[in-house]
Amino acid sequence: DADVTQTPRNRITKTGKRIMLECSQTKGHDRMYWYRQDPGLGLRLIYYSFDVKDINKGEISDGYSVSRQAQAKFSLSLESAIPNQTALYFCATSDGPGAAYEQYFGPGTRLTVT
Amino acid sequence: GQNIDQPTEMTATEGAIVQINCTYQTSGFNGLFWYQQHAGEAPTFLSYNVLDGLEEKGRFSSFLSRSKGYSYLLLKELQMKDSASYLCAVRDPNAGNNRKLIWGLGTSLAVNP
Repeated sequence: DADVTQTPRNRITKTGKRIMLECSQTKGHDRMYWYRQDPGLGLRLIYYSFDVKDINKGEISDGYSVSRQAQAKFSLSLESAIPNQTALYFCATSDGPGAAYEQYFGPGTRLTVT
Repeated sequence: GQNIDQPTEMTATEGAIVQINCTYQTSGFNGLFWYQQHAGEAPTFLSYNVLDGLEEKGRFSSFLSRSKGYSYLLLKELQMKDSASYLCAVRDPNAGNNRKLIWGLGTSLAVNP
């Protein structure tokens, strides 16, 4: 079984709809991240969390919200989806706080907003 | 500001050696990562450098020069499956507790037969 899972893997939704992307991990890591990836723009950090009570905005948090329901679960919500939120979304986890700990990525969710 | 530069695209021949460069401009330094990402898939960790010099892992090696703000990823005995995007990332020195990474845009490598 995969260590970091994301659901759904693909989603098409309409402008204005609320949508939730879910991430679960079995690695026992405290740190979890949400990124989006767009062609030519690379990976951009949306939100990150170091424990259930610690939520931090990344560089592009507008239009998104998150919930850390448990150490193993980190959800990303689009309150009112818009077409420019069409992207590939990745959840990632890492151990910490040492600098050498790499991030482990989930398989991604391809979201299309029409 | 903080910035990472990588070439956008590279091509190489199966069996050859290719070097992918990464330069970074950051206010401090606490580690550099290389990731591989096949099209439509998740990035996967390749290497980590924090001290100057070469780290070797099988066909892949990564080099760091902190004084020059420079790293490269060296891929030997190229295989078709090495066709992918290679992402360079550095620890954000302004984010305490090793919180975040600054990502380059990636270098798309095409390996031709």
